[in-house]
Amino acid sequence: AQSVTQLDSHVSVSEGTPVLLRCNYSSSYSPSLFWYVQHPNKGLQLLLKYTSAATLVKGINGFEAEFKKSETSFHLTKPSAHMSDAAEYFCVVSTINTGKLIFGQGTTLQVKP
Amino acid sequence: DSGVTQTPKHLITATGQRVTLRCSPRSGDLSVYWYQQSLDQGLQFLIQYYNGEERAKGNILERFSAQQFPDLHSELNLSSLELGDSALYFCASSVEGGQSAEAFFGQGTRLTVV
Repeated sequence: AQSVTQLDSHVSVSEGTPVLLRCNYSSSYSPSLFWYVQHPNKGLQLLLKYTSAATLVKGINGFEAEFKKSETSFHLTKPSAHMSDAAEYFCVVSTINTGKLIFGQGTTLQVKP
Repeated sequence: DSGVTQTPKHLITATGQRVTLRCSPRSGDLSVYWYQQSLDQGLQFLIQYYNGEERAKGNILERFSAQQFPDLHSELNLSSLELGDSALYFCASSVEGGQSAEAFFGQGTRLTVV
């Protein structure tokens, strides 16, 4: 079975400092992994995806994530936080046959001025 | 704008009632997914349709049902509503519904049962 665990429910950073949102996954086969972002009262937007190509994946708005098989991790990073990055972030794994998405519990990112 | 359209955006209804949520997928997408987002359960997969056929089922209650029509739009029917059904319901679509396919989400329908 596939699952993801987001290690922090809440992360607070200052504007201009790096962002690290941590995610570990469990999968019995080579996974497809995604990060989605949800701004307040908005839908879910895809930030980036990993599908067994390059292990360092670049996404939108300066975010990137590195797939580390040995650590079963897929952490999301950004060099410099912006106020507009404040949102809920979800690490997601996709199932092999249907593509149904299994979501982590989410990490709330707070960006302080 | 993801290209996925959900209507209505908000719905307030009484316990015991029945409602229908509608989803229009992105042009060309054959697969439609329904998810429920609640404070206690997080984001949970409900059901998936691919080109009109049910493909996968998740934690969907028997009081809930869905279908995908020939024009590929989908409807989620919720009946005998309970207070605990209050949640944000998302529809997502993807091209072929496989493991690596990107899913695009609508803005959601916020259901409040009073």
